[in-house]
Amino acid sequence: GAVVSQHPSRVICKSGTSVKIECRSLDFQATTMFWYRQFPKKSLMLMATSNEGSKATYEQGVEKDKFLINHASLTLSTLTVTSAHPEDSSFYICSAREGTAGNTIYFGEGSWLTVV
Amino acid sequence: GDSVTQMEGPVTLSEEAFLTINCTYTATGYPSLFWYVQYPGEGLQLLLKATKADDKGSNKGFEATYRKETTSFHLEKGSVQVSDSAVYFCALILTGGGNKLTFGTGTQLKVEL
Repeated sequence: GAVVSQHPSRVICKSGTSVKIECRSLDFQATTMFWYRQFPKKSLMLMATSNEGSKATYEQGVEKDKFLINHASLTLSTLTVTSAHPEDSSFYICSAREGTAGNTIYFGEGSWLTVV
Repeated sequence: GDSVTQMEGPVTLSEEAFLTINCTYTATGYPSLFWYVQYPGEGLQLLLKATKADDKGSNKGFEATYRKETTSFHLEKGSVQVSDSAVYFCALILTGGGNKLTFGTGTQLKVEL
């Protein structure tokens, strides 16, 4: 199947700083990418839908100024957590839609963010 | 709205036991159906999928059949292994323009020796 890669897999940052997480589709072009957040032992919470070359669409309750999403190319989307706080510590997962056929969505490995 | 309902876990089985994880859905259109697996500390991996009624998805010994009449997509495996211990998510996406996956809450499977 198609491959989606996230980087970094783990990051620790200090409160008040910003951290960027990258999501790449390695062997296909992804016009649409999705960012999720997952709390321990919980299902995935969709944060935003990212479309190449346009502004992201955020889900209700997600602060767009805090979670900046950029989808500058067909293979790369980035999530920047700005002015991070300890409550932002979580597992962030991206996914990308393979647009050729079948509506299949592939997920990255996830990124653990710890804000200290 | 569209929704996916999974059986609550955790499900605990002995190795080589038969596995069934129930999944039912409601959808306004004609969805494609998926099972994803999440191993501890990792992202989600696509396990199998079915895109139309009566399709059977299969992978690594797991199977699920798209049953339109019962709006179900139950996951089965004839003989589980300890390495199958993970969280399993049932999901749907509407065919023909829908971009978002709708997930079930996930079912944790624990397989013991």
